[in-house]
Amino acid sequence: AQSVAQPEDQVNVAEGNPLTVKCTYSVSGNPYLFWYVQYPNRGLQFLLKYITGDNLVKGSYGFEAEFNKSQTSFHLKKPSALVSDSALYFCAVRRDTGRRALTFGSGTRLQVQP
Amino acid sequence: GAGVSQSPSNKVTEKGKDVELRCDPISGHTALYWYRQSLGQGLEFLIYFQGNSAPDKSGLPSDRFSAERTGGSVSTLTIQRTQQEDSAVYLCASSYSGGHSYEQYFGPGTRLTVT
Repeated sequence: AQSVAQPEDQVNVAEGNPLTVKCTYSVSGNPYLFWYVQYPNRGLQFLLKYITGDNLVKGSYGFEAEFNKSQTSFHLKKPSALVSDSALYFCAVRRDTGRRALTFGSGTRLQVQP
Repeated sequence: GAGVSQSPSNKVTEKGKDVELRCDPISGHTALYWYRQSLGQGLEFLIYFQGNSAPDKSGLPSDRFSAERTGGSVSTLTIQRTQQEDSAVYLCASSYSGGHSYEQYFGPGTRLTVT
């Protein structure tokens, strides 16, 4: 079985400050990890992924995430938050082999205050 | 290019009626997924199609749910005898199975309300 935990329902940050959205995972085998963002009344939009290689991955809109195997974490980060980053963020995992369906975390709402 | 499209965008139905939800994946994507997003349940996997292989139906919550994919492209999710607990946003996603493209691309969803 695989699972994803996003321990914070909401993260509040001031515009211009760095942001972190936390994610930890559990999966047997090697993980493939993803971050998605969802704006109101929209589908999920792919941000970035970790498959293999460098632990720090960069994605869309200035976001990055760091894969930490020992801590089974894949936290999403951005050096300087924008008000337009306010949205719902989902972390997801699947195994490198077998079933390709994603297991999602419960989501974290990011609120960036001007 | 065109993304994943879903129709209808909203569907209101009476309890006990059958509904069909449609998904048009991105052209060239061989894998197609259905997920359900509901309050309190988050995002849950329903069914997965890969090429001509037998679909992975392991996420379907009951035998009232079924899906098919015709010609390796368009997919229809059917819910029979709808119940109020079926109210949710149904999301379709597709992905390209070759190379190193592992991410899934999602459509805007169909919001189903069962009254």
